[in-house]
Amino acid sequence: EADIYQTPRYLVIGTGKKITLECSQTMGHDKMYWYQQDPGMELHLIHYSYGVNSTEKGDLSSESTVSRIRTEHFPLTLESARPSHTSQYLCASSEFPGLYEQFFGPGTRLTVL
Amino acid sequence: GESVGLHLPTLSVQEGDNSIINCAYSNSASDYFIWYKQESGKGPQFIIDIRSNMDKRQGQRVTVLLNKTVKHLSLQIAATQPGDSAVYFCAENVPMNRDDKIIFGKGTRLHILP
Repeated sequence: EADIYQTPRYLVIGTGKKITLECSQTMGHDKMYWYQQDPGMELHLIHYSYGVNSTEKGDLSSESTVSRIRTEHFPLTLESARPSHTSQYLCASSEFPGLYEQFFGPGTRLTVL
Repeated sequence: GESVGLHLPTLSVQEGDNSIINCAYSNSASDYFIWYKQESGKGPQFIIDIRSNMDKRQGQRVTVLLNKTVKHLSLQIAATQPGDSAVYFCAENVPMNRDDKIIFGKGTRLHILP
């Protein structure tokens, strides 16, 4: 079992609310990622980070933002949620540099009404 | 390989039979490949990996085959069990200038028939 955690697991909120999805890992990994995934479908990279104070945009344009103030913590924030943000959000981490697998958290299922 | 479209292939296999899940990857420069298993309500989990200098790697009940000539990757699961029901993703690592890029395939849903 990977030591990477996401909270909340499920979130239902109204349009216009600000939300933060939490992700923490205890493996000391430098690289962390956020993916958006519709149930059972392909993963789309929305943000990643090489380490503290590093944030990069992924392949899929997203209105969310991320921060990396501590190695173990990589929260994702939506300033104003919309129904189009309804999806599953997966956090992952890996060692860097080198060829290593990613360890995934359990995901946060977000529903915006 | 590169994700195009939204169709998720499905494979149905009788319990006890062997399963073969295929993946076509996109970049001939890719140097590392991983298979992930994603069960319902969970994040993807690492199954097995293979580097581009190999053409076969075996794990416990799983084997990955790499054919670089046709850019094809396969995952073989021996004696498929009900617990193998999941969506399986292949991922390729594409070397880039500053950093590598991981590309996930579209995924294949494996159904185990009793």
